[in-house]
Amino acid sequence: AQSVSQHNHHVILSEAASLELGCNYSYGGTVNLFWYVQYPGQHLQLLLKYFSGDPLVKGIKGFEAEFIKSKFSFNLRKPSVQWSDTAEYFCAVIPVSSYKLIFGSGTRLLVRP
Amino acid sequence: EAGVAQSPRYKIIEKRQSVAFWCNPISGHATLYWYQQILGQGPKLLIQFQNNGVVDDSQLPKDRFSAERLKGVDSTLKIQPAKLEDSAVYLCATLASLAGGGGTQYFGPGTRLTVL
Repeated sequence: AQSVSQHNHHVILSEAASLELGCNYSYGGTVNLFWYVQYPGQHLQLLLKYFSGDPLVKGIKGFEAEFIKSKFSFNLRKPSVQWSDTAEYFCAVIPVSSYKLIFGSGTRLLVRP
Repeated sequence: EAGVAQSPRYKIIEKRQSVAFWCNPISGHATLYWYQQILGQGPKLLIQFQNNGVVDDSQLPKDRFSAERLKGVDSTLKIQPAKLEDSAVYLCATLASLAGGGGTQYFGPGTRLTVL
């Protein structure tokens, strides 16, 4: 079955630390990839997406993600986190053949001021 | 551009009662999804509509859950009767087009259901 794995369920960082959240998916065909963010008390918002082209995509608020097809990975990065980045982050994949968005279980990020 | 609207935002019911959730999509978005997000998990797709037709309801527990999208705009999701394990946030999302294999879905604020 198609699935998305996020390796870290909880991450705690100090401000200015670098961030990398792992995401791997299990599907051999073409996929569209997404990272969504959910700030406390708010709804899911799109952070960035990859459909095709340059595998390094840049999103809002200084986030970026790199699609490595050979590793079935789409890791999220930010060089210097801020307290306001405290949120839950979800990786999601759409296998192009199915049009179904499949979410990972999420990573809760806490940034200490 | 107005976002996806959902109501109510919170609902508390007792088990075996019925409950209904409402979603108003972004204007012009033909594709509408309902997701269930249990605490500590990512959202799980329940049902997908394309206009007023069901595209995928394979993960909808049809013995107790039902959904409709009359006239291809607003949608309602109903649970009858509710069980304790139905406690979750129910999310509605809409999509402008399926072109390219599935584009960006826009999510509503969700309805948090607590079943006692």
